[in-house]
Amino acid sequence: QSALTQPASVSGSPGQSITISCTGTSSDVGGYNYVSWYQQHPGKAPKLLIYDVSNRPSGVSNRFSGSKSGNTASLTISGLQAADEADYYCSSYTSSSTLDVLFGGGTKLTVL
Amino acid sequence: QVQLQESGPGLVKPSETLSLTCTVSGASISDYYWSWIRQPPGKGLEWIAFVYDSGRTNYYNGSANYNPSLQSRVTMSTDTSKNQFSLKLTSVTAADTAVYYCARHQGLTAFDIWGQGTVVTVSS
Repeated sequence: QSALTQPASVSGSPGQSITISCTGTSSDVGGYNYVSWYQQHPGKAPKLLIYDVSNRPSGVSNRFSGSKSGNTASLTISGLQAADEADYYCSSYTSSSTLDVLFGGGTKLTVL
Repeated sequence: QVQLQESGPGLVKPSETLSLTCTVSGASISDYYWSWIRQPPGKGLEWIAFVYDSGRTNYYNGSANYNPSLQSRVTMSTDTSKNQFSLKLTSVTAADTAVYYCARHQGLTAFDIWGQGTVVTVSS
């Protein structure tokens, strides 16, 4: 099974908005509304930002939003802040074999 | 407040078995799905396996589900008396060197609570 495809890096200036894409297939991202997004700072465990495509857990800033179109999901961060500089991972349920979870390769966000 | 804590040896010899335990506080392991996820140095996340405690009327009742690429080497189990779940990975190689995380599922495949992670190095 191949990982979901994310850009290796994205960048933006404080206050701007950026979008990170996550491309899969009809067996995962495109076929189900079970896409999640995580933020990971160096040396820390990942933090859930978005689940089921566009839902935010309690306590997550509304600057983070998720969406999906076809086989591609997207995470948008608005009002970029220095603290947003981190690695971001998407994940999805996949039906390509038994029930399991695919992650994306990760995207490094740099706040300029 | 739900907390997860991984424990186990930080160094495992090649061809031996890696054994890790995740102790859960603030929630019952009988009420959720639980997973192991790993991250090799400088690389991305890889889901290893999930388990759902027995006694629930569910297709995966009392069973674990594994990443197909690791399935032949992985066993995951629960100990409800200790509120713990465990991972065993056999015949390890240097490629199994990683930070290993335990995590709680939110819904089907989102992970809302993570342990701090434990570093496991495979080396002689």
